[in-house]
Amino acid sequence: DVKVTQSSRYLVKRTGEKVFLECVQDMDHENMFWYRQDPGLGLRLIYFSYDVKMKEKGDIPEGYSVSREKKERFSLILESASTNQTSMYLCASTETGGLNTEAFFGQGTRLTVV
Amino acid sequence: QKEVEQDPGPLSVPEGAIVSLNCTYSNSAFQYFMWYRQYSRKGPELLMYTYSSGNKEDGRFTAQVDKSSKYISLFIRDSQPSDSATYLCARITGTASKLTFGTGTRLQVTL
Repeated sequence: DVKVTQSSRYLVKRTGEKVFLECVQDMDHENMFWYRQDPGLGLRLIYFSYDVKMKEKGDIPEGYSVSREKKERFSLILESASTNQTSMYLCASTETGGLNTEAFFGQGTRLTVV
Repeated sequence: QKEVEQDPGPLSVPEGAIVSLNCTYSNSAFQYFMWYRQYSRKGPELLMYTYSSGNKEDGRFTAQVDKSSKYISLFIRDSQPSDSATYLCARITGTASKLTFGTGTRLQVTL
């Protein structure tokens, strides 16, 4: 059974804290993604990585950074959390291939910044 | 203009109804689309993949792309309460299979 695992289901952090969201996949996929999901806005891509130590900005990278030191792990970092980063965060992975490649998602981390 | 747009709903239908979920896209060069289903408090899961124009059928589900009007549709026949979920259409690009999603339509199938 393929799996993308996010380290926390729910997180509450204070404004200004540095926050780490962790994602691990066991499918040996090359590509990993971080999205955030907000009501009325859908899923928006923050960053993605197509190889170890490689990263590319998505549509809304401001206020975020990422780290991919190992193929199976992709971390999202909020350098200084703000209330407008309260959201559902979803990690996904795909293998490199044709354009019908399925994305596998984690269960999501609901982050609340107070 | 957003690349992919979708009516957020919610859409409520009785069990057994035919459901039509729709998206529009901005660029006629887009060719590859997917439909994902997301149950409450879960991550999205792939439902169907479709390419360019025409229909694709999988059981009770049919995905349709109308390239001339830049319209993507998902039809659900004989809808069931277990179909209650948010349905997300997405455009796929690049070798990394990067997805650009619509906002999602929340569907409720009632008994």
